[in-house]
Amino acid sequence: QLVESGGGLVKPGGSLRLSCADSGFTFSEYYMTWIRQAPGKGLEWVSYISSSGSNIYYADSVKGRFTISRDNAKNSLYLQMNSLRADDTAVYYCAGDLTVVSAKWFDPWGQGTLVTVSS
Amino acid sequence: DIQMTQSPSSVSASIGDRVTITCRASQAISSWLAWYQQKPGKAPKLLIYAASSLQSGVPSRFSASGSGTDFTLTISSLQPEDFATYYCQQANSFPITFGQGTRLEIK
Repeated sequence: QLVESGGGLVKPGGSLRLSCADSGFTFSEYYMTWIRQAPGKGLEWVSYISSSGSNIYYADSVKGRFTISRDNAKNSLYLQMNSLRADDTAVYYCAGDLTVVSAKWFDPWGQGTLVTVSS
Repeated sequence: DIQMTQSPSSVSASIGDRVTITCRASQAISSWLAWYQQKPGKAPKLLIYAASSLQSGVPSRFSASGSGTDFTLTISSLQPEDFATYYCQQANSFPITFGQGTRLEIK
C-alpha cells in the first residue's frame, strides 16, 4: 500500500528528497511518519505529520535539516533531507497511523528506501 | 525523552517453546505501547497496540500485557515464522522512541 522512492547515494552535505506514495487507503485522513533504520541497528523515529499537514514533529537528530510534507491530492508523503551526514545512512520507511485518534502506532509500512551518505 | 529498554537483547528458543520479552519505559506511559516484529530485509509489522490489543491478522499465540512502565510480549508456542526481531515502541509522547530490539533465534 505504501511505496517509497528517492533513496540513493549522496555526498556529505548533500540533499535528497524521499517520496512515499499510497494506494489502498484514504491517505488524506491519516497521520503519517518516517522511521529509519541504520544498517544492523534498531528503529529510529524521524518525523510525524498530521492528516492536514498542520502539525509536524521531528526527532532532535534531524530538526533543522529535514522537512516532512504531504500532498493529499497526490496521496503522497515527502521527506526533504538537507545537510546530510554519514550517520543519516539508513533505510527510511514511511508508515501510516490509521487510528482516528492519532495513537502513534504504525501500520501499514512501506518497503523502505536506502539512503547512503558517503564521499 | 522516554527511554525504552528491552530484555533480553537476544534469546534462543525451540519450536513450541513459550517466550516472553520485556519492555520497560523510563517513565509511565499508561498503555501507550506497541510491539512490532521485523524479519531480515523486511519492514516492521505491527503485532500489538495499546499494550495488549492484538492487531488484526496476528495469530493468537501472540499476547501482551502491562501498563505504566512495565510491559511484556509473550509468544505461547513458537512457530518457525516467529524467529525475528521484536521491538517495543512508546506512543505516549514525542519523540516517539523504540526499544533496542530483541532478537529471537532458533536453538
